[in-house]
Amino acid sequence: DQQVKQNSPSLSVQEGRISILNCDYTNSMFDYFLWYKKYPAEGPTFLISISSIKDKNEDGRFTVFLNKSAKHLSLHIVPSQPGDSAVYFCAGGNYGQNFVFGPGTRLSVLP
Amino acid sequence: DVKVTQSSRYLVKRTGEKVFLECVQDMDHENMFWYRQDPGLGLRLIYFSYDVKMKEKGDIPEGYSVSREKKERFSLILESASTNQTSMYLCASSRRGRWDTEAFFGQGTRLTVV
Repeated sequence: DQQVKQNSPSLSVQEGRISILNCDYTNSMFDYFLWYKKYPAEGPTFLISISSIKDKNEDGRFTVFLNKSAKHLSLHIVPSQPGDSAVYFCAGGNYGQNFVFGPGTRLSVLP
Repeated sequence: DVKVTQSSRYLVKRTGEKVFLECVQDMDHENMFWYRQDPGLGLRLIYFSYDVKMKEKGDIPEGYSVSREKKERFSLILESASTNQTSMYLCASSRRGRWDTEAFFGQGTRLTVV
């Protein structure tokens, strides 16, 4: 049973528009969440994180929103750029411990 | 520039072979991890190590073992490779007590077992 779900395997967005990647989790004990980005033939790289004491964290074009009651988080990319085309992994867990990753969403930003 | 280096990008092995996947990090990190990545399943933790000679099972340790004789090196061993171990294997490292911005991944090893 997957504790972290990313129900959209893929997403296509026009350059300049907003990309919204969704993630749901089942473990209410999770108190920290991460997003990683992965390009083909490379390892994942850290993108942004959020603690459960917050409902929003912003870093440049990237914003993560957390809705604890719904056990849902989303990553917003505004504006989307072709270089954002990658697989995005959501992960949940407890700070300082191991994290559980979702299956990933492949984002394609079309010029 | 920080680095986690995996010894091979691509490997093809035969069923029943013993396979070694090597990972080296140059950041003096205490924690090291081995994941496998499969379509639709994301990254699943096989084993991790938080210190030299220490190891802990992750979510899917069956069929695998690990070795950490030196701080910078973490090896994943497939004792007798099987076709269901065909996958992308990713090594990562992080400082003790930290995971978020300080987790660095290698480029991955795509293993095919025939």
